[in-house]
Amino acid sequence: SQTIHQWPATLVQPVGSPLSLECTVEGTSNPNLYWYRQAAGRGLQLLFYSIGIDQISSEVPQNLSASRPQDRQFILSSKKLLLSDSGFYLCAWSAQGADNSPLHFGNGTRLTVT
Amino acid sequence: DAKTTQPPSMDCAEGRAANLPCNHSTISGNEYVYWYRQIHSQGPQYIIHGLKNNETNEMASLIITEDRKSSTLILPHATLRDTAVYYCIVRVVHSGYALNFGKGTSLLVTP
Repeated sequence: SQTIHQWPATLVQPVGSPLSLECTVEGTSNPNLYWYRQAAGRGLQLLFYSIGIDQISSEVPQNLSASRPQDRQFILSSKKLLLSDSGFYLCAWSAQGADNSPLHFGNGTRLTVT
Repeated sequence: DAKTTQPPSMDCAEGRAANLPCNHSTISGNEYVYWYRQIHSQGPQYIIHGLKNNETNEMASLIITEDRKSSTLILPHATLRDTAVYYCIVRVVHSGYALNFGKGTSLLVTP
């Protein structure tokens, strides 16, 4: 069966520090991968999606970037965090080639920028 | 992209059926309806999805009207653990088949 892992679960970082959040998927090949953010009391906002290695699309201009160095690995990064980057970051995957395949989410990383 | 409209909150007594409505009047013929729920501080959990026909799985039933302009998610016997925010979503085809989450319905199941 397929599983998705995100780490760390929680993170507290000072303003101006770098960020790296990692997500890996097991049990499937060539998945679509997604990064979402949920600010406190807000809905889920799609940040990036990827349909293949080194194929990243950004949905919202921001202080963040994403990379996909391997088929089942998706990384969210920032060179310098802002206070507004605080939030709940969620990685998700869906099966490639199936336009009705549901997304499956990880347990998220709660980031607090201080 | 089709938008969805859901009531912001609902209550349901434990053991009773919870019927969560969703309007998606601008849905296109090839767009699926998805339902997710999010329990506080967890990632969204997939519940069910459908195109035209009613669907049922171990978690819930999805009833889609014949004109596909609305749907209802049914939790047949709600428990306290079903308290969550429930999202009705129509897929965003151009964004790698991502899902565009709205504000959802906050369901409170009471003893």
